Amino acid sequence: AQTVTQSQPEMSVQEAETVTLSCTYDTSENNYYLFWYKQPPSRQMILVIRQEAYKQQNATENRFSVNFQKAAKSFSLKISDSQLGDTAMYFCAFLPDFGNEKLTFGTGTRLTIIP
Amino acid sequence: GAVVSQHPSWVICKSGTSVKIECRSLDFQATTMFWYRQFPKQSLMLMATSNEGSKATYEQGVEKDKFLINHASLTLSTLTVTSAHPEDSSFYICSATPPTGRPTSGTQYFGPGTRLLVL
Repeated sequence: AQTVTQSQPEMSVQEAETVTLSCTYDTSENNYYLFWYKQPPSRQMILVIRQEAYKQQNATENRFSVNFQKAAKSFSLKISDSQLGDTAMYFCAFLPDFGNEKLTFGTGTRLTIIP
Repeated sequence: GAVVSQHPSWVICKSGTSVKIECRSLDFQATTMFWYRQFPKQSLMLMATSNEGSKATYEQGVEKDKFLINHASLTLSTLTVTSAHPEDSSFYICSATPPTGRPTSGTQYFGPGTRLLVL
Protein backbone atom coordinates (compact mmCIF):
# COMPACT_ATOMS: atom_id res chain seq x y z
CA ALA A 1 0.00 0.00 0.00
CA GLN A 2 1.11 3.51 -0.72
CA THR A 3 1.34 6.32 1.78
CA VAL A 4 1.65 10.05 1.26
CA THR A 5 2.98 12.33 3.96
CA GLN A 6 2.65 16.09 4.17
CA SER A 7 4.56 17.17 7.23
CA GLN A 8 3.48 20.82 7.26
CA PRO A 9 -0.11 21.17 8.49
CA GLU A 10 -0.05 24.95 8.10
CA MET A 11 2.13 27.52 6.42
CA SER A 12 1.91 31.22 5.81
CA VAL A 13 3.90 33.54 3.59
CA GLN A 14 3.86 37.15 2.55
CA GLU A 15 2.32 38.01 -0.78
CA ALA A 16 4.82 37.94 -3.67
CA GLU A 17 7.19 35.64 -1.81
CA THR A 18 8.07 32.09 -2.73
CA VAL A 19 6.90 29.13 -0.68
CA THR A 20 7.64 25.41 -0.87
CA LEU A 21 5.27 22.71 0.32
CA SER A 22 6.75 19.33 1.08
CA CYS A 23 5.43 15.89 0.24
CA THR A 24 6.98 12.48 0.63
CA TYR A 25 5.55 9.15 -0.35
CA ASP A 26 6.24 5.49 0.01
CA THR A 27 5.68 2.93 -2.73
CA SER A 28 7.21 -0.16 -4.23
CA GLU A 29 5.91 0.75 -7.67
CA ASN A 30 8.23 2.06 -10.39
CA ASN A 31 5.63 3.70 -12.58
CA TYR A 32 3.17 6.13 -11.08
CA TYR A 33 1.83 9.66 -11.14
CA LEU A 34 2.01 12.40 -8.56
CA PHE A 35 -0.33 15.33 -8.23
CA TRP A 36 -0.82 18.51 -6.32
CA TYR A 37 -4.41 19.63 -5.84
CA LYS A 38 -5.56 22.93 -4.42
CA GLN A 39 -8.76 23.33 -2.41
CA PRO A 40 -9.66 26.99 -1.83
CA PRO A 41 -12.40 28.06 0.60
CA SER A 42 -15.00 27.22 -2.06
CA ARG A 43 -13.90 23.59 -1.51
CA GLN A 44 -13.57 22.93 -5.23
CA MET A 45 -10.62 20.59 -5.80
CA ILE A 46 -8.42 22.06 -8.51
CA LEU A 47 -5.57 20.25 -10.22
CA VAL A 48 -2.41 22.31 -9.84
CA ILE A 49 0.22 20.10 -11.39
CA ARG A 50 0.85 16.51 -12.48
CA GLN A 51 4.10 14.59 -12.71
CA GLU A 52 4.77 11.24 -14.37
CA ALA A 53 7.37 9.26 -12.48
CA TYR A 54 9.16 8.13 -15.63
CA LYS A 55 9.87 11.75 -16.59
CA GLN A 56 13.01 13.17 -15.05
CA GLN A 57 12.07 16.72 -15.95
CA ASN A 58 10.18 18.53 -13.24
CA ALA A 59 6.68 19.65 -14.19
CA THR A 60 5.88 23.35 -14.23
CA GLU A 61 2.66 25.30 -14.62
CA ASN A 62 3.20 29.03 -14.68
CA ARG A 63 4.10 30.03 -11.07
CA PHE A 64 3.88 26.46 -9.85
CA SER A 65 6.72 24.00 -10.15
CA VAL A 66 7.73 20.76 -8.50
CA ASN A 67 10.96 19.28 -7.29
CA PHE A 68 10.57 15.58 -7.98
CA GLN A 69 13.23 13.39 -6.42
CA LYS A 70 12.29 9.82 -7.30
CA ALA A 71 15.04 8.11 -5.36
CA ALA A 72 14.20 10.09 -2.25
CA LYS A 73 10.45 9.70 -2.91
CA SER A 74 9.97 13.40 -2.51
CA PHE A 75 7.61 15.67 -4.44
CA SER A 76 7.62 19.26 -3.24
CA LEU A 77 5.59 22.10 -4.71
CA LYS A 78 7.09 25.56 -5.17
CA ILE A 79 4.82 28.55 -5.58
CA SER A 80 6.59 31.62 -6.89
CA ASP A 81 5.34 35.20 -6.60
CA SER A 82 2.55 34.03 -4.31
CA GLN A 83 -0.83 35.69 -4.67
CA LEU A 84 -3.77 36.08 -2.31
CA GLY A 85 -5.72 33.64 -4.47
CA ASP A 86 -3.20 30.95 -3.63
CA THR A 87 -4.64 30.76 -0.12
CA ALA A 88 -6.00 27.22 0.08
CA MET A 89 -5.50 23.69 1.31
CA TYR A 90 -2.97 21.87 -0.82
CA PHE A 91 -3.11 18.10 -1.15
CA CYS A 92 -0.37 15.90 -2.52
CA ALA A 93 -1.64 12.71 -4.14
CA PHE A 94 -0.21 9.47 -5.53
CA LEU A 95 -1.61 7.27 -8.29
CA PRO A 96 -0.12 3.96 -9.40
CA ASP A 97 0.11 3.48 -13.14
CA PHE A 98 -2.11 0.52 -13.73
CA GLY A 99 -5.58 1.46 -14.83
CA ASN A 100 -8.00 3.73 -13.04
CA GLU A 101 -6.80 3.13 -9.57
CA LYS A 102 -7.67 5.25 -6.60
CA LEU A 103 -5.67 8.24 -5.47
CA THR A 104 -3.86 8.22 -2.17
CA PHE A 105 -3.98 11.67 -0.61
CA GLY A 106 -1.81 13.31 1.96
CA THR A 107 -3.36 15.08 4.93
CA GLY A 108 -2.96 18.48 3.34
CA THR A 109 -1.15 21.74 4.03
CA ARG A 110 -3.16 24.85 4.78
CA LEU A 111 -1.42 27.76 3.06
CA THR A 112 -2.25 31.34 3.90
CA ILE A 113 -0.94 34.21 1.81
CA ILE A 114 -0.60 37.35 3.91
CA PRO A 115 -1.27 40.70 2.20
CA GLY B 1 -11.44 20.80 -20.92
CA ALA B 2 -12.03 18.13 -18.23
CA VAL B 3 -14.95 19.78 -16.50
CA VAL B 4 -17.00 17.88 -13.96
CA SER B 5 -20.29 19.17 -12.64
CA GLN B 6 -22.18 18.13 -9.56
CA HIS B 7 -25.78 18.77 -8.62
CA PRO B 8 -27.12 19.92 -6.29
CA SER B 9 -24.43 22.10 -4.75
CA TRP B 10 -26.17 21.95 -1.41
CA VAL B 11 -29.19 20.22 0.00
CA ILE B 12 -31.06 20.23 3.29
CA CYS B 13 -33.36 17.34 4.03
CA LYS B 14 -35.27 15.77 6.86
CA SER B 15 -34.04 12.67 8.61
CA GLY B 16 -35.33 9.52 6.93
CA THR B 17 -35.53 10.90 3.42
CA SER B 18 -33.31 9.95 0.50
CA VAL B 19 -31.10 12.34 -1.40
CA LYS B 20 -29.66 11.88 -4.88
CA ILE B 21 -26.49 13.63 -6.02
CA GLU B 22 -25.52 13.71 -9.68
CA CYS B 23 -22.01 13.85 -11.08
CA ARG B 24 -21.46 14.61 -14.76
CA SER B 25 -18.36 14.81 -16.92
CA LEU B 26 -19.21 17.61 -19.32
CA ASP B 27 -16.55 17.39 -22.00
CA PHE B 28 -15.17 13.90 -21.79
CA GLN B 29 -16.35 10.36 -21.31
CA ALA B 30 -15.47 8.88 -17.97
CA THR B 31 -15.36 5.13 -17.64
CA THR B 32 -14.50 5.55 -13.99
CA MET B 33 -15.88 7.97 -11.44
CA PHE B 34 -15.10 8.23 -7.76
CA TRP B 35 -17.15 9.38 -4.80
CA TYR B 36 -15.54 10.98 -1.78
CA ARG B 37 -16.67 12.33 1.53
CA GLN B 38 -14.84 15.13 3.29
CA PHE B 39 -15.17 16.15 6.90
CA PRO B 40 -14.18 19.68 7.95
CA LYS B 41 -10.44 20.33 7.87
CA GLN B 42 -9.69 16.79 6.76
CA SER B 43 -8.54 15.13 3.60
CA LEU B 44 -10.84 13.36 1.16
CA MET B 45 -12.08 9.93 2.11
CA LEU B 46 -12.83 7.64 -0.81
CA MET B 47 -16.23 6.02 -0.52
CA ALA B 48 -16.49 4.05 -3.74
CA THR B 49 -15.22 3.62 -7.27
CA SER B 50 -17.89 3.63 -9.94
CA ASN B 51 -17.39 1.99 -13.32
CA GLU B 52 -19.83 2.49 -16.17
CA GLY B 53 -22.13 -0.47 -16.61
CA SER B 54 -20.98 -2.40 -13.55
CA LYS B 55 -21.47 -2.40 -9.83
CA ALA B 56 -19.56 0.08 -7.76
CA THR B 57 -16.66 -1.00 -5.59
CA TYR B 58 -17.07 0.27 -2.06
CA GLU B 59 -14.29 1.01 0.40
CA GLN B 60 -14.16 -0.84 3.65
CA GLY B 61 -16.62 0.52 6.17
CA VAL B 62 -18.89 2.18 3.61
CA GLU B 63 -22.41 0.77 3.63
CA LYS B 64 -23.40 -0.07 0.07
CA ASP B 65 -27.09 -0.18 0.97
CA LYS B 66 -26.82 3.24 2.52
CA PHE B 67 -24.90 4.89 -0.30
CA LEU B 68 -26.27 3.64 -3.60
CA ILE B 69 -24.15 4.38 -6.64
CA ASN B 70 -25.31 4.12 -10.23
CA HIS B 71 -23.04 4.77 -13.20
CA ALA B 72 -25.54 4.42 -16.01
CA SER B 73 -23.64 6.22 -18.74
CA LEU B 74 -20.13 7.37 -19.61
CA THR B 75 -20.93 10.87 -18.42
CA LEU B 76 -23.18 10.38 -15.40
CA SER B 77 -22.85 8.78 -12.01
CA THR B 78 -25.28 9.23 -9.15
CA LEU B 79 -24.94 8.80 -5.41
CA THR B 80 -28.12 8.26 -3.42
CA VAL B 81 -27.97 8.60 0.32
CA THR B 82 -30.86 6.44 1.49
CA SER B 83 -32.77 7.12 4.69
CA ALA B 84 -30.42 9.95 5.54
CA HIS B 85 -29.63 10.73 9.17
CA PRO B 86 -27.85 13.68 10.76
CA GLU B 87 -24.57 11.74 10.88
CA ASP B 88 -24.67 11.59 7.07
CA SER B 89 -24.33 15.36 6.94
CA SER B 90 -21.10 16.06 5.13
CA PHE B 91 -19.45 17.37 1.99
CA TYR B 92 -19.61 14.88 -0.87
CA ILE B 93 -17.31 15.21 -3.88
CA CYS B 94 -17.18 13.24 -7.09
CA SER B 95 -14.36 12.94 -9.56
CA ALA B 96 -13.96 11.51 -13.04
CA THR B 97 -11.02 10.28 -15.08
CA PRO B 98 -10.61 10.49 -18.85
CA PRO B 99 -10.24 7.16 -20.68
CA THR B 100 -6.87 5.41 -20.73
CA GLY B 101 -4.69 6.25 -23.67
CA ARG B 102 -5.28 9.98 -23.43
CA PRO B 103 -2.49 12.26 -22.21
CA THR B 104 -4.48 13.08 -19.11
CA SER B 105 -5.60 9.56 -18.37
CA GLY B 106 -5.42 8.70 -14.71
CA THR B 107 -5.89 12.31 -13.66
CA GLN B 108 -8.96 12.82 -11.54
CA TYR B 109 -11.00 15.94 -12.21
CA PHE B 110 -13.29 16.92 -9.40
CA GLY B 111 -16.79 18.26 -9.23
CA PRO B 112 -17.51 21.30 -7.04
CA GLY B 113 -19.01 19.15 -4.27
CA THR B 114 -22.36 18.87 -2.56
CA ARG B 115 -23.02 20.02 0.97
CA LEU B 116 -25.60 17.79 2.63
CA LEU B 117 -27.31 18.77 5.85
CA VAL B 118 -29.71 16.30 7.38
CA LEU B 119 -32.01 17.73 10.03
